[in-house]
Amino acid sequence: EDQVTQSPEALRLQEGESSSLNCSYTVSGLRGLFWYRQDPGKGPEFLFTLYSAGEEKEKERLKATLTKKESFLHITAPKPEDSATYLCAVQGRPGGGTSYGKLTFGQGTILTVHP
Amino acid sequence: DGGITQSPKYLFRKEGQNVTLSCEQNLNHDAMYWYRQDPGQGLRLIYYSQIVNDFQKGDIAEGYSVSREKKESFPLTVTSAQKNPTAFYLCASSGTGFYNEQFFGPGTRLTVL
Repeated sequence: EDQVTQSPEALRLQEGESSSLNCSYTVSGLRGLFWYRQDPGKGPEFLFTLYSAGEEKEKERLKATLTKKESFLHITAPKPEDSATYLCAVQGRPGGGTSYGKLTFGQGTILTVHP
Repeated sequence: DGGITQSPKYLFRKEGQNVTLSCEQNLNHDAMYWYRQDPGQGLRLIYYSQIVNDFQKGDIAEGYSVSREKKESFPLTVTSAQKNPTAFYLCASSGTGFYNEQFFGPGTRLTVL
């Protein structure tokens, strides 16, 4: 069974204090690892997809990296508007005769950035 | 603007009632999904559909039903058989090729009175 564990559960940072969020996973045949941002009471907003170990992607103050066992979301010089819950999900190999590879989500990391 | 809409934003249900949550997308995606989100838990898949007139059960389908009569629409009915329906419900859509990121709607919060 595919599993995703995110740590820490919550992270408090001062504005400008860089840090990283961790997503550890086990999956049978990784098709993709996804990062989303979710604001309170809203739907998740897509950030990145990573497909293979060694891949990196950047967007503004965010940088996502991938190894064979985990992914990191690095936040450089965060601002208060970066406060949100960050969700990680993995998509495994399709099964059951369909082309659908199930998405398994972690519980998320709640990031709070104080001014 | 392309996107996914869900309605209503808030929904209140009395015990024993069936309620239907709407999900519409204009992204021309073939696949659509329904998730449930509870505090402290990851998103859990209720149903998904990869093509019109076909859908599959996810991990927690009991007490829910769906239909997919149009490519753009994937309504979810929460039946009276669902014992604990209070949750945040999220609809998503994606393509069905190898690169198939899922994009989410704004969600519907269902509360049982």
